[in-house]
Amino acid sequence: DQQVKQNSPSLSVQEGRISILNCDYTNSMFDYFLWYKKYPAEGPTFLISISSIKDKNEDGRFTVFLNKSAKHLSLHIVPSQPGDSAVYFCAARRRGSQGNLIFGKGTKLSVKP
Amino acid sequence: EAGVVQSPRYKIIEKKQPVAFWCNPISGHNTLYWYRQNLGQGPELLIRYENEEAVDDSQLPKDRFSAERLKGVDSTLKIQPAELGDSAVYLCASSLGGTNTEAFFGQGTRLTVV
Repeated sequence: DQQVKQNSPSLSVQEGRISILNCDYTNSMFDYFLWYKKYPAEGPTFLISISSIKDKNEDGRFTVFLNKSAKHLSLHIVPSQPGDSAVYFCAARRRGSQGNLIFGKGTKLSVKP
Repeated sequence: EAGVVQSPRYKIIEKKQPVAFWCNPISGHNTLYWYRQNLGQGPELLIRYENEEAVDDSQLPKDRFSAERLKGVDSTLKIQPAELGDSAVYLCASSLGGTNTEAFFGQGTRLTVV
């Protein structure tokens, strides 16, 4: 039973446009959410996070939105650049579990010039 | 500053053989994780260390997998004997610990069991 779901295996966006990556979760005990980016043959790289007490966190071109009632979060990249092409993983931490992260299956983003 | 270092990068072994992976975390990071990533999946936690203590190994297949973190720094993950289904990327990560959850990952070891 997947607790963190990324239902879109892939997404293709034109350079300069907005990329929106979605993530749904089922466990209401999750209190912290993270996005990681992964290039081929490299380990995941931390991108941005959000606590469950917030509904938005912004860092440069990257913004994460959290809708707790819908158990949904999204990552917005504006404007998208070809270097953003990678696999993006959504991850969640259960309250009280310290650092254990539960990951989604990932969404492969392709930004076309 | 050096990141999380893992070795080897790639390993091909025959089934029933033993294999070991090594990880050197970021200096000062008390928490160390081993994750396994199967093809097309996200990473799944195998074991988490707080300093030298394994505080969560509930997902570690203990019949064939073992891990240690001597002196609370470097860690090794061992599989003996390896099975075909163990083919995956094994990722080591570290974090400062406590409420700081941002984990920094190494490049991983891609294991192929033939």
